[in-house]
Amino acid sequence: KAGVTQTPRYLIKTRGQQVTLSCSPISGHRSVSWYQQTPGQGLQFLFEYFSETQRNKGNFPGRFSGRQFSNSRSEMNVSTLELGDSALYLCASSAGDRAHYGYTFGSGTRLTVV
Amino acid sequence: AQKVTQAQTEISVVEKEDVTLDCVYETRDTTYYLFWYKQPPSGELVFLIRRNSFDEQNEISGRYSWNFQKSTSSFNFTITASQVVDSAVYFCASNQAGTALIFGKGTTLSVSS
Repeated sequence: KAGVTQTPRYLIKTRGQQVTLSCSPISGHRSVSWYQQTPGQGLQFLFEYFSETQRNKGNFPGRFSGRQFSNSRSEMNVSTLELGDSALYLCASSAGDRAHYGYTFGSGTRLTVV
Repeated sequence: AQKVTQAQTEISVVEKEDVTLDCVYETRDTTYYLFWYKQPPSGELVFLIRRNSFDEQNEISGRYSWNFQKSTSSFNFTITASQVVDSAVYFCASNQAGTALIFGKGTTLSVSS
C-alpha cells in the first residue's frame, strides 16, 4: 500500500509570507503527527491529530497551526514566516491513538525561508 | 516528563567494524515504547524497531541487534560488520500513552570503505 505522502517536497518562501504543507497518511491510518527538524534543535514535535481532533501540541508559537480532514489528510500552516522556520517538516502516520501503534514517516517537505 | 538522550553526536568507523549507538531514556510511566529510526541522506525516517517496556528480550535482525536494559534505562543499538550503506543519522525515540513520540538528538554514523 502507498506510504505517507507529503507535498510539496521543496518550498522556498519569503519572510512574512505564509505556507501550507500537506500530508496524506497511509490508507486506514487515522493519526497524523508533524515534526520540525533543524540542525540545531533536532526533531521537535509540532502537533498530533486523531480523527480530526488535535490530541497533543508541542511548544511552538501560534504561527504554527494544523488541521485534519475527515479523510485523515492533514495540513499544517505557518504564518508570518521567519528565517528560523527553515527546516525539514516531517509527517508521521499511525493506525490509532495508542502508543503501541507504530509510526510511518513521509519523506518530508524542505522549507527554505529567504 | 519524557526524555531521550543520545550522547554520541558522531561516530566514524571503517567497514566491517562493529559499532554500538547508545540511547538512554527517562520516563515516569511503567508502560512505554522505545523506537529506533534511521534517516539516510534522502531525509525519510525509516523505522527499524519498536520495543515495549514489558519486553526486555534482546532482538537481532541480520546485522542489527538491540539491547534493552530497564535497570539502566538504556536501549542500545549495535550494527555488526558495518557497511558503507549503514551511513546515516540514527534516532532513538520513546512514547507512552497519550503522549507524542519524543526523539533524541540523533547519532550520525559514517562508515568508510
